[in-house]
Amino acid sequence: ENVLTQSPGTLSLSPGERATLSCRASQSVSSSYLAWYQQTPGQAPRLLIYAASSRATGIPDRFSGSGSGTDFTLTISRLEPEDFAVYYCQQYSGPVWTFGQGTKVEIK
Amino acid sequence: QITLKESGPTLVKPTQTLTLTCTFSGFSLSTSGVAVGWIRQPPGKALEWLGIIYWDDDKGYNPSLKSRLTITKDTSKNQVVLRMTNMDPVHTATYYCAHRRILPDVTPFDHWGQGILVTVSS
Repeated sequence: ENVLTQSPGTLSLSPGERATLSCRASQSVSSSYLAWYQQTPGQAPRLLIYAASSRATGIPDRFSGSGSGTDFTLTISRLEPEDFAVYYCQQYSGPVWTFGQGTKVEIK
Repeated sequence: QITLKESGPTLVKPTQTLTLTCTFSGFSLSTSGVAVGWIRQPPGKALEWLGIIYWDDDKGYNPSLKSRLTITKDTSKNQVVLRMTNMDPVHTATYYCAHRRILPDVTPFDHWGQGILVTVSS
């Protein structure tokens, strides 16, 4: 099983600031099949980024993804009030998919 | 417009079998490249991938659950069914179904249902 470790667990920032979230895999993620989701309280996750760096339909360009192999990053260039949420990475290469444990982005 | 919705019991007893149905619209599971998966999330905890079924009836299961989990599809009804045997209180979670495609490009879960909270308790 490819274990995904997200850091930090919690990120305390102010609106307008830049957020950098990390996702590290225990094994290389082939074809960069790495996704990022956003989840707000009481809601289903929403796909933000797939294939490590492709934005999903309707996702603002302040969200960007990068990385390959075992190290991936989600960057939010300027935090908007609606961006304070929990973010999960997921690898979807191979027959078994896994999620990270999540990073909470909270208002400082 | 793709939509999915989970339905089934919100309370099951320990050792019982959970059966959840995902009813969807806006796509067909008979179309090449389409799949529906299941994910669960215990209260306050992270997401866990359960399994997936493809248009060609290929399936994938979380190895830790494989012996207890079955996913089937009814293409004529636009439904996918999840069956999980021997439920335990630790399996209390919100269960989601979600859409995936691998044609024309490969995506993970790009549309999700609203989720259904299933509590396991006697």
